[in-house]
Amino acid sequence: DSGVTQTPKHLITATGQRVTLRCSPRSGDLSVYWYQQSLDQGLQFLIQYYNGEERAKGNILERFSAQQFPDLHSELNLSSLELGDSALYFCASSVSGVGDYEQYFGPGTRLTVT
Amino acid sequence: LAKTTQPISMDSYEGQEVNITCSHNNIATNDYITWYQQFPSQGPRFIIQGYKTKVTNEVASLFIPADRKSSTLSLPRVSLSDTAVYYCLGNNNAGNMLTFGGGTRLMVKP
Repeated sequence: DSGVTQTPKHLITATGQRVTLRCSPRSGDLSVYWYQQSLDQGLQFLIQYYNGEERAKGNILERFSAQQFPDLHSELNLSSLELGDSALYFCASSVSGVGDYEQYFGPGTRLTVT
Repeated sequence: LAKTTQPISMDSYEGQEVNITCSHNNIATNDYITWYQQFPSQGPRFIIQGYKTKVTNEVASLFIPADRKSSTLSLPRVSLSDTAVYYCLGNNNAGNMLTFGGGTRLMVKP
């Protein structure tokens, strides 16, 4: 158990809909990262927050947005969903925000868009 | 274009040493190089991290040359349970974008 929690574990929704994925980092970690992993594909970095502020951005679509709240939990919002958005979405956390990337990953949320 | 590349797959036998190399053609100056292990339908698990030369922990060693354009993960005496996908992670110096390699699928055979 990494100490990172993600909810929900599974999500099935229709094209055009909007969903919110939630992540609680390990106690003491200030950084939260979001990744997308499509079937049998590698990990694509979406976005990083550090202590409530956006720190780095990857190939995140404009339809996707995220935020980190004062209690350090984070949410990833996916809107106008398309079939191609079906994937595993992982959240990770770390103590540091720059340079040191010893990240601890949650179990993921499996999103299926039908 | 900054890229992090590693072999797609490797086969090994139980008890052998496995070395997986990753190239980081544009690693950020102040960033560590980090390696992860992933089993199917699970989140990646941190294995080891280093900045330069050699780092060793209870599960692996990491070799990083002086130019830091590559890194080699060394797994001593692998077992069947080491069958997994291994990812290297570097930070793109040109955009502060975390870039995982495509992953190396290691198959350990009896």
